[in-house]
Amino acid sequence: EVQLVESGGGLVQPGGSLRLSCAASGFLVSSYWMHWVRQVPGKGLFWVSEIHGDGRNTHYADSVKGRFIISKDNAKNTLYLQMNSLTVEDTAIYYCVRDNAGVDDWGQGTLVTVSS
Amino acid sequence: DVVLTQSPLSLPVNLGQPASISCRSSQSLLSSDGDTYLTWIQQRPGQSPRRLIYKVSNRESGVPDRFSGSGSGTDFTLKISSVEADDIGLYYCAQGSHWPPFTFGQGTNLEI
Repeated sequence: EVQLVESGGGLVQPGGSLRLSCAASGFLVSSYWMHWVRQVPGKGLFWVSEIHGDGRNTHYADSVKGRFIISKDNAKNTLYLQMNSLTVEDTAIYYCVRDNAGVDDWGQGTLVTVSS
Repeated sequence: DVVLTQSPLSLPVNLGQPASISCRSSQSLLSSDGDTYLTWIQQRPGQSPRRLIYKVSNRESGVPDRFSGSGSGTDFTLKISSVEADDIGLYYCAQGSHWPPFTFGQGTNLEI
């Protein structure tokens, strides 16, 4: 059974940093594109970033480019999102998503709140 | 970027009645590999999103057959043949044919 478990969210001040983790089980992150998608509570879904199975190919939404870094540790079967220079507009639930012919399995999400 | 426009954004339904959601794309979603990566996602209240349909019309394992997807090119539809109480929530279309970025529709709120 595929499982994705995010962690690392919390309250952070504007300008601060957080590192999100997503522990995967039931499949190998080395074999799939993996995404981070966020959702402001009560609002729609917004794609943030993706990483190829080999870890060498990454893409970012324009709004996070230069501030966020996606990575993964195949040995730990875990996906990460390093978020720097956070702003209040980054406040959202962050979901880890496996790509299997499109966005497929979703984690339960982790809430990031950026506030002073 | 590909823009996905859903309609309606709010869909009041009666239990047992059919429902239909449209998703229109700003460009054809036929990918260079010959597939069309149009996905339908359900988000029940307080829950994570869940994929219902992939590549236009393929139901995920465990998804009831009252859900069906159709369409091609720029016009796609999700149909529920007979709405049940368990179906209430938000429905999103998403495309992965032309990326980055992956894009989502605005969401349709299916409500009683």
